[in-house]
Amino acid sequence: DVKVTQSSRYLVKRTGEKVFLECVQDMDHENMFWYRQDPGLGLRLIYFSYDVKMKEKGDIPEGYSVSREKKERFSLILESASTNQTSMYLCASSLQKVTYEQYFGPGTRLTVT
Amino acid sequence: GENVEQHPSTLSVQEGDSAVIKCTYSDSASNYFPWYKQELGKRPQLIIDIRSNVGEKKDQRIAVTLNKTAKHFSLHITETQPEDSAVYFCAASIRDTNAGKSTFGDGTTLTVKP
Repeated sequence: DVKVTQSSRYLVKRTGEKVFLECVQDMDHENMFWYRQDPGLGLRLIYFSYDVKMKEKGDIPEGYSVSREKKERFSLILESASTNQTSMYLCASSLQKVTYEQYFGPGTRLTVT
Repeated sequence: GENVEQHPSTLSVQEGDSAVIKCTYSDSASNYFPWYKQELGKRPQLIIDIRSNVGEKKDQRIAVTLNKTAKHFSLHITETQPEDSAVYFCAASIRDTNAGKSTFGDGTTLTVKP
């Protein structure tokens, strides 16, 4: 069974703080993704990575950065958190070229006050 | 880039009725179309997918159809049950490029009334 875990289920941060969200998968997947989920807006891709140290911008990368130093770990960084970054953040992973099914983590609900 | 539109945003049916959710996509190069189900408080999970060389795929009460010419695809759920109540997301992607990056629709909240 694929297991994707995220470092926190709930997080409350203050405006201007640097925030780290971590995602770990245990199935040796090459691809990893970060999404934010807001009501009525679906799943919007922030960044993704298809290999260690490789990253590509998704549809809404502004205000975010990512790090992938190891294959199993993909971190999302909010350099200076703002209230409009209050959201549910979902991490996902998938294999390349065998199946493109994405396996999601449980999500982190981030509140920025 | 790819744009995926999903309709309706909410759908309420009686138990036993059928439910249909429709999506359109913009990039004719898209060739893989998954559907995810997200139950309340849980993570999205793949329920069915279809590739562009196939027009229809069934799995028990769930079916997906694809019309490449019109660039739309649909999810059909027959004999709905209360446990089908969830948010459903369609997505479109191009296999073998961009790490299988998918563009998701905005989601449909399906409520099945007993």
